[in-house]
Amino acid sequence: QVQLVESGGGLVEPGGSLRLSCVVSTSTFNANYMAWIRQAPGRGLEWLSYISGDSRATNYGDSVKGRFIISRDTAKNALYLQMNSLKDEDTAVYYCATGRQVREADYWGQGTLVIVS
Amino acid sequence: DVVMTQSPLSLPVTLGQPASISCRSSQTIVYSDGNIYLSWFHQRPGQSPRRLIYRVSNRGSGVPDRFSGSGSGSDFTLEISRVEAEDVGVYYCMQGTHWPWTFGQGTKVEIE
Repeated sequence: QVQLVESGGGLVEPGGSLRLSCVVSTSTFNANYMAWIRQAPGRGLEWLSYISGDSRATNYGDSVKGRFIISRDTAKNALYLQMNSLKDEDTAVYYCATGRQVREADYWGQGTLVIVS
Repeated sequence: DVVMTQSPLSLPVTLGQPASISCRSSQTIVYSDGNIYLSWFHQRPGQSPRRLIYRVSNRGSGVPDRFSGSGSGSDFTLEISRVEAEDVGVYYCMQGTHWPWTFGQGTKVEIE
């Protein structure tokens, strides 16, 4: 069973930066797209960004476009999210996800909490 | 963005009885490959979401057969044939056709 483990969350002041990481337990999904999704406290789920296996294709939601940067290192089975110019409304649990088709989110990590305050 | 509207938002259920959740998309969600990328997820408190159904009616690996999905066009349904205690939590529909992919607001299922 594939496992995804996020890390890097924490408390940061508005305007600050944070880098999240997600390590996948297998290299099986290195050729697959991966994505970041977040869930603000007591709120629903929001797709933030995705990246292709070769890192050539990326896309972002409007709420993070220009502030967040997604990247990956297939040698480390890792996915990253560089978050800059953080705002109060970025406070959320951040999940990484992947699967045969990332748009179907077969697999999720346990999440890492980011608090902007 | 495609808006996914679920109903009801709260669903009291009785153990052993059926339950049904509806999801409506604000526009058609047929992808260019002909597939409808409509998925259902279940989230228990303190846990990450787990995918139950993909492409409208396909059960994910290890998902009990009491869960089924159906629908077409803009209207979709998740049904639980006989609710069990472990089914409590929040259920979300999601469209993976038009970026940004979007989730419904969630339906909270509780045992009566």
